[in-house]
Amino acid sequence: DIQMTQSPSTLSASIGDRVTITCRASQSINGWLAWYQQRPGKAPKLLIFKASSLESGVPSRFSGSGSGTEFTLTISSLQPDDFATYYCQQYNSYSLTFGQGTRLEIK
Amino acid sequence: EVQLVESGGGLVQPGGSLRLSCAASGFTFSDHYMDWVRQAPGKGLEWVARIRNKVKGYTTEYAGSVKGRFTISRDDSTNSLFLQMNSLKTEDTAMYYCSRVAVVVPAANDFWGQGTLVTVSS
Repeated sequence: DIQMTQSPSTLSASIGDRVTITCRASQSINGWLAWYQQRPGKAPKLLIFKASSLESGVPSRFSGSGSGTEFTLTISSLQPDDFATYYCQQYNSYSLTFGQGTRLEIK
Repeated sequence: EVQLVESGGGLVQPGGSLRLSCAASGFTFSDHYMDWVRQAPGKGLEWVARIRNKVKGYTTEYAGSVKGRFTISRDDSTNSLFLQMNSLKTEDTAMYYCSRVAVVVPAANDFWGQGTLVTVSS
């Protein structure tokens, strides 16, 4: 199975900050990477698909980039609703796999 | 409005069985692949199983941790997704989410239900 490794595991930031989360795959995933946001007690929500495509209805402060085995999720200016846990997922091959998650906390 | 509503979770003893259901509405269910994804308490997301659509012969994929014990199925006539879980282990304790795969594959999971909790304990 392809291993997905996110960093950092926890990130402390303030409202208005620009933050970046990194996701590394153990082998090439041909850009088939998604990012999800999960708030406590809620279901995950799709933010980004195909590494850099913004899901409909997701604010433009969220962006994704990367290729090969290294990918990033950037939030350009943190808003109160953005404090949550973020997961990357590869859907290039089975078993589909997620990163371990990055918890974004208020500083 | 797209809706996915899971049911069937509960407390079961190790070695027991449980069948989860997911009722879908607000979209053409038969067009989409569907997944089950789980999340153990305080842990991350783990993909469990996928079933493709009729065009792809309703073929299935499983995570290694559940292969041979869990069976995913669907009924397009009632817009329902199922997960039959047998030989349950304590490590199967988790919130189980039903999730829609976006229609053009390869695709991410573009909509999720709110989940149903399965607890495996004696």
